[in-house]
Amino acid sequence: DTAVSQTPKYLVTQMGNDKSIKCEQNLGHDTMYWYKQDSKKFLKIMFSYNNKELIINETVPNRFSPKSPDKAHLNLHINSLELGDSAVYFCASSQGRTVRESYGYTFGSGTRLTVV
Amino acid sequence: DAKTTQPNSMESNEEEPVHLPCNHSTISGTDYIHWYRQLPSQGPEYVIHGLTSNVNNRMASLAIAEDRKSSTLILHRATLRDAAVYYCILRPSYSGAGSYQLTFGKGTKLSVIP
Repeated sequence: DTAVSQTPKYLVTQMGNDKSIKCEQNLGHDTMYWYKQDSKKFLKIMFSYNNKELIINETVPNRFSPKSPDKAHLNLHINSLELGDSAVYFCASSQGRTVRESYGYTFGSGTRLTVV
Repeated sequence: DAKTTQPNSMESNEEEPVHLPCNHSTISGTDYIHWYRQLPSQGPEYVIHGLTSNVNNRMASLAIAEDRKSSTLILHRATLRDAAVYYCILRPSYSGAGSYQLTFGKGTKLSVIP
């Protein structure tokens, strides 16, 4: 069983369209994330959810809206897609509580979004 | 955020040990040192983490300097499958918003020569 699974793996769409990327984790983690990796390979956090609550919302356009229906899912919806949104989007999960311990993240295999 | 400094690239011969350095001179007492790697066309993969003591697992060893201002990821016997970008990241251990994110730098691109 895949620990963190994202769908679709590839997404090619036209400018102006609305699309969603789904993410599910079966690790029992309480925190999930979306990262964006651009063409220069920089990985940047976009959102972080802990127990379905938004914890981190980095400087991301309002066109990006994460939704967490439950602890195991964090979906990313993107409105009015632009050429600059082309990138690889990674979902990840971890055990978020780090008072005395620090846990590793588990990443999905990525969704390559191409906007034409 | 505490920053890390890594060489842009390194090369190793197959089946030889590899020592990947990381400097983190502004590390705070509550920061854990994490290492991740990203193989081509894959998501980042957790390798190892530690706080003060050296750590070993099935993938690698982590050697942490006594003053914690630097660390070294050790791959004991490099294989072609170890060719990847290796990221050294500091993660706060307190319960605050900062603990909920890993901030990736540029990492070290490791090439393994057959």
